[in-house]
Amino acid sequence: AQSVSQHNHHVILSEAASLELGCNYSYGGTVNLFWYVQYPGQHLQLLLKYFSGDPLVKGIKGFEAEFIKSKFSFNLRKPSVQWSDTAEYFCAVNYGGSQGNLIFGKGTKLSVKP
Amino acid sequence: DAGITQSPRYKITETGRQVTLMCHQTWSHSYMFWYRQDLGHGLRLIYYSAAADITDKGEVPDGYVVSRSKTENFPLTLESATRSQTSVYFCASSVQGREQPQHFGDGTRLSIL
Repeated sequence: AQSVSQHNHHVILSEAASLELGCNYSYGGTVNLFWYVQYPGQHLQLLLKYFSGDPLVKGIKGFEAEFIKSKFSFNLRKPSVQWSDTAEYFCAVNYGGSQGNLIFGKGTKLSVKP
Repeated sequence: DAGITQSPRYKITETGRQVTLMCHQTWSHSYMFWYRQDLGHGLRLIYYSAAADITDKGEVPDGYVVSRSKTENFPLTLESATRSQTSVYFCASSVQGREQPQHFGDGTRLSIL
């Protein structure tokens, strides 16, 4: 079955630490990949997306993600986190393009200590 | 920009009651979606709509009904609410296609007693 796995349920970092959140998907065909962020009490916002091309994708607020097809992974990274990055992060995968829905991972809660 | 507006933001109701969650978008996006967000499950798709009068089931449609008579509105109805439907409900839209980035509303927190 199509699925999305986010390995870390809760990550706690100090400000200026580097961040990497894991995301793996289960399907080997055409995929479109997304990371969304949900700040406390707010709606989901798109951080970045990958459809094709350069597997290193840069998004808003200094985030980037790397698509590694051989590992079915799309990990999110940020070199130096800030307290304002405290939020929940969702990886989402569209399997099969326009014929497929968006499947979300269960989310990773990031807490950044000032 | 107004974007997507969901109402109500909070709702408490009792089991067996009918409740309708409203979703209105100002972008004229073709696609609209309803998700529920539960702890430990992330977001799960309930229903989606490709255009006015075209709707289809998502992953967890049982117990829900949708309609889309106008492009800008996509109400979600729980015909006979159950406690298992206590959740946060998000409406979303995309310009065209389920594979495109989606824009989300602020959510409705629904509690069923």
